[in-house]
Amino acid sequence: RKEVEQDPGPFNVPEGATVAFNCTYSNSASQSFFWYRQDCRKEPKLLMSVYSSGNEDGRFTAQLNRASQYISLLIRDSKLSDSATYLCVVSRSGNTGKLIFGQGTTLQVKP
Amino acid sequence: DTAVSQTPKYLVTQMGNDKSIKCEQNLGHDTMYWYKQDSKKFLKIMFSYNNKELIINETVPNRFSPKSPDKAHLNLHINSLELGDSAVYFCASSPRGMYNEQFFGPGTRLTVL
Repeated sequence: RKEVEQDPGPFNVPEGATVAFNCTYSNSASQSFFWYRQDCRKEPKLLMSVYSSGNEDGRFTAQLNRASQYISLLIRDSKLSDSATYLCVVSRSGNTGKLIFGQGTTLQVKP
Repeated sequence: DTAVSQTPKYLVTQMGNDKSIKCEQNLGHDTMYWYKQDSKKFLKIMFSYNNKELIINETVPNRFSPKSPDKAHLNLHINSLELGDSAVYFCASSPRGMYNEQFFGPGTRLTVL
């Protein structure tokens, strides 16, 4: 079993739709959580960190449920430019900065 | 103003050859990383250096050897290349610590024939 699991998709949605991605992690020692975005044939880039209280950045909302070891990302009012792969990422305790990546969920927003 | 740069961007080579990939960051970060992204898109940490000291060394074949001449550079040398080494290799850097954003280079696409 992978330490971070995501539904690879693809999710095909029309512009303006709301779409939600889920992710589960297996290691309860995980301490910090992120969503990264990776465009086709490009490098990953941080989309947002995920905090226990939940956090929002414009059209993007991230939630963390430590009890269920579950992370979510909600995108409202999808734009064509949101088409990408969204990577769920966790980091364990300790100071090494080691990130564990999920396989990613592919989103395709269509006109 | 490239933050994390890698060379070369593409590398095509024969099995058994030795090759190197170079990485440089101008962000002033203490920590640098090498990741491998395979054909199934999983991105996995290989190595990490903090101020030229190796702090993460995952289970990778010892044909892979990282070298950090200074904290702004982290190179990856691969001996006796195999077909299974074909992948995209990403370099990244960050301030030290698990809460910090990692900045990735553009990747080096390695194809072993």
